[in-house]
Amino acid sequence: DAGVTQSPTHLIKTRGQQVTLRCSPKSGHDTVSWYQQALGQGPQFIFQYYEEEERQRGNFPDRFSGHQFPNYSSELNVNALLLGDSALYLCASSYSLTDLAKNIQYFGAGTRLSVL
Amino acid sequence: SQKIEQNSEALNIQEGKTATLTCNYTNYSPAYLQWYRQDPGRGPVFLLLIRENEKEKRKERLKVTFDTTLKQSLFHITASQPADSATYLCALDMLDYKLSFGAGTTVTVRA
Repeated sequence: DAGVTQSPTHLIKTRGQQVTLRCSPKSGHDTVSWYQQALGQGPQFIFQYYEEEERQRGNFPDRFSGHQFPNYSSELNVNALLLGDSALYLCASSYSLTDLAKNIQYFGAGTRLSVL
Repeated sequence: SQKIEQNSEALNIQEGKTATLTCNYTNYSPAYLQWYRQDPGRGPVFLLLIRENEKEKRKERLKVTFDTTLKQSLFHITASQPADSATYLCALDMLDYKLSFGAGTTVTVRA
């Protein structure tokens, strides 16, 4: 059973560029969330996608946008990259029809983004 | 302002001892609290979930307590092993589709 897969694993960009990160959820999952994790910090919630719509958003600027496809996979796009965007970007999936209380997230290994 | 604070220092313990990690929060009212383990270069892995009306939860060598009056959760690893060395994250769930994480505590178990 494939878990959450993310691509690419590493990425180097320069300031002002745009980047797209990709995520395939765990088999059977229909909900995808994205988190940003700076070095030495916990993951920070960016947004969650369900039924191809953004259902909840964290405190991130509009430069961060996303998409969910009919097969539940997802993309995270970041425009006008800043040095401060350098971080590990984690994708997490879950299944919407479980007990809402069990908002257990299954994480991928992440994409390490370096902005120079 | 809202804060989630975990042990500020890394934890170094001898194999076989019990590791106790703390998670304190301010200005949150979580319905549930979760604990995750994260190894270097990997994503977090879910360990345990405890509800606001539960005092304690156990899973094998792991035990979690949750005190909503103190606004604190304690995470215990008993009979620790070198394989338990990792960073442990607490996460608060306010039933709003997102998790709010602490910065984590790094545990090193010496053989």
